[in-house]
Amino acid sequence: QVQVVESGGGVVQPGGSLRLSCAASGFTFSDHGIHWVRQAPGKGLEWVAFIRYDGSSEYYADSAKGRFTISRDNSKNTVYLQMNSLRDEDTAVYYCARTLYGAHDAFDIWGQGTMVGVSS
Amino acid sequence: DIQMTQSPSSLSASVGDRVTITCRATQGISNSLAWYQQKPGKAPKLLLYAASILQSGVPSRFSGSGSGTDFTLTISSLQPEDFASYYCQQYYITPPWTFGQGTTVEIK
Repeated sequence: QVQVVESGGGVVQPGGSLRLSCAASGFTFSDHGIHWVRQAPGKGLEWVAFIRYDGSSEYYADSAKGRFTISRDNSKNTVYLQMNSLRDEDTAVYYCARTLYGAHDAFDIWGQGTMVGVSS
Repeated sequence: DIQMTQSPSSLSASVGDRVTITCRATQGISNSLAWYQQKPGKAPKLLLYAASILQSGVPSRFSGSGSGTDFTLTISSLQPEDFASYYCQQYYITPPWTFGQGTTVEIK
């Protein structure tokens, strides 16, 4: 079964850190880029970060630059999102999503999400 | 950055209705547009990509059209399971990958 599964969410105080994981199975992980997308309570979807299939490049939303780091371990079929200096506005469900294989960069497989809460 | 604007933000419709949602980009994005469906408490699901290509397993009552800056998602005959939020997304000029603000389809 093709799937990605997020873990690592929780509640932290402002300024704290969390590391999210996205574990993939059922497909050739090293063929696909992986994104993190978040959704604040009652709000829409916001792209956060992307890493290429081979880890050669990473991209971040302005809201994440300098605080979040995306990485991957293709031997473990896992992508990570290290989140530092967390703020109240980072509170959201965080989804990882696979890029469609080929020329079109849509997100075809999504995980169930992991909740991150930032609160004092 | 390219901004995506959907209209309407919400709509009420009945089972069997034809529903149309539009999405406009602030600059031309060719056909590099995807549509997603999201039900409450669930992850988004890819419906269409390349503006009009139906993702595998998605019912044929969903269709998409458009190119450049203006795009449309159409549900030909609304079914009970289609009541959800819908998001467009551009992937033509990235980063960032940008989503529309969403359209909620509610039961009339």
